[in-house]
Amino acid sequence: IAGITQAPTSQILAAGRRMTLRCTQDMRHNAMYWYRQDLGLGLRLIHYSNTAGTTGKGEVPDGYSVSRANTDDFPLTLASAVPSQTSVYFCASSENHPTGNNEQFFGPGTRLTVL
Amino acid sequence: QKEVEQNSGPLSVPEGAIASLNCTYSDRGSQSFFWYRQYSGKSPELIMSIYSNGDKEDGRFTAQLNKASQYVSLLIRDSQPSDSATYLCAIFFMGGTSYGKLTFGQGTILTVHP
Repeated sequence: IAGITQAPTSQILAAGRRMTLRCTQDMRHNAMYWYRQDLGLGLRLIHYSNTAGTTGKGEVPDGYSVSRANTDDFPLTLASAVPSQTSVYFCASSENHPTGNNEQFFGPGTRLTVL
Repeated sequence: QKEVEQNSGPLSVPEGAIASLNCTYSDRGSQSFFWYRQYSGKSPELIMSIYSNGDKEDGRFTAQLNKASQYVSLLIRDSQPSDSATYLCAIFFMGGTSYGKLTFGQGTILTVHP
């Protein structure tokens, strides 16, 4: 079934630990995104990638890093987790048309708790 | 002014009624407009896209766009309890950035009661 998968589904993590959230899409979309969703703050963009080999910072990039070695995978790494990174993380992808008429599709999410 | 604002809600409508969800945006250069539905504990699901002024209908859903008034709405006809969810308005703007920015509103919680 075409779509986006994320792993793990949920995770409890001790502060200071390193964590990588995985995201894989099989729609051959050029662009991929990482968002976090927090109550009262809505969805906020962490990092994005317009195409394989390129990445960029979104609205709230501090404390996070990403890589895009190929079209399908876009992992998000927390080098040293802090409690403020407790959130639900969504990966998304889109075709990334130059006209801007591109639709983003979301993965199922990862619920991360940092203690 | 927030970039994307939605009617605060929560919105409660009886089954069979029309639910009206509204969204205003601040950037006149916005290019694409989307409505997502998000059930509790689930990810956002794209339900409507609209790119030009006017109405776009898809089943029980109608999106309305008025770029001059910077306003986009979603009407849900014959509302069902299964429509109970949070509805997110999202606006896409390319501008001078290296990526197209999709900005989300805070969401409106809709409850359809039997």
